Amino acid sequence: EVQLVESGGGLVKPGGSLRLSCAASGFTFSTYSMNWVRQAPGKGLEWVSSTSSDSSYIYYVDSVRGRFTMSRDNAKNSLYLQMHSLRAEDTAVYYCARVFFGFHAMDVWGQGTTVTVSS
Amino acid sequence: EIVLTQSPGTLSLSPGERATLSCRASQSVSSSYLAWYQQKPGQAPRLLIYSASSRATGIPDRFSGSGSGTDFTLTISRLEPEDFAVYYCQQYGSSPTWTFGQGTKVEIK
Repeated sequence: EVQLVESGGGLVKPGGSLRLSCAASGFTFSTYSMNWVRQAPGKGLEWVSSTSSDSSYIYYVDSVRGRFTMSRDNAKNSLYLQMHSLRAEDTAVYYCARVFFGFHAMDVWGQGTTVTVSS
Repeated sequence: EIVLTQSPGTLSLSPGERATLSCRASQSVSSSYLAWYQQKPGQAPRLLIYSASSRATGIPDRFSGSGSGTDFTLTISRLEPEDFAVYYCQQYGSSPTWTFGQGTKVEIK
């Protein structure tokens, strides 16, 4: 079964750090680009970051660039999002998602992990 | 930056009725890079349509997508009880970036 499972969310104070993980299974992880997408409470979807299959290209939305770092370990079938200098507006459910090759849609999603930034 | 505007914000319909959801882009979008998702409360989004009109694996044929340029449409031919949800359009653009519309909620009338 193709699956993505996120972990690492939690409650953190403003200015704090958190590292999210996404474990992939059921497909050849190393051949797919991957995204992080977030959803603030009661709001819509927002793309956060993307990495190519071999990490040669990594992109960020402007609001997190310089604070978040996306990485992957293809040997461990895992994706990561290191988040620093967290702000209240980073509070959201964070999803990892597989990028459908050639069409840039996201065809497999994890269940999400919740990040709450609050004092 | 391309902005996607979805309308209406909420669509109130009965099971069996036809739903027509609109997604308008502020600039022309490549049809190859226009997708639609369904999201139910407490669940992750699910890919319905990619490349503007291609159904994703396992998606029933009552879901169809159309459009080009700046105007795209998701149609649900006959609403089933499980189709009441929020629907998002999404485009992939240069930089690269992925942009979502604000969503259309399809609710039971």
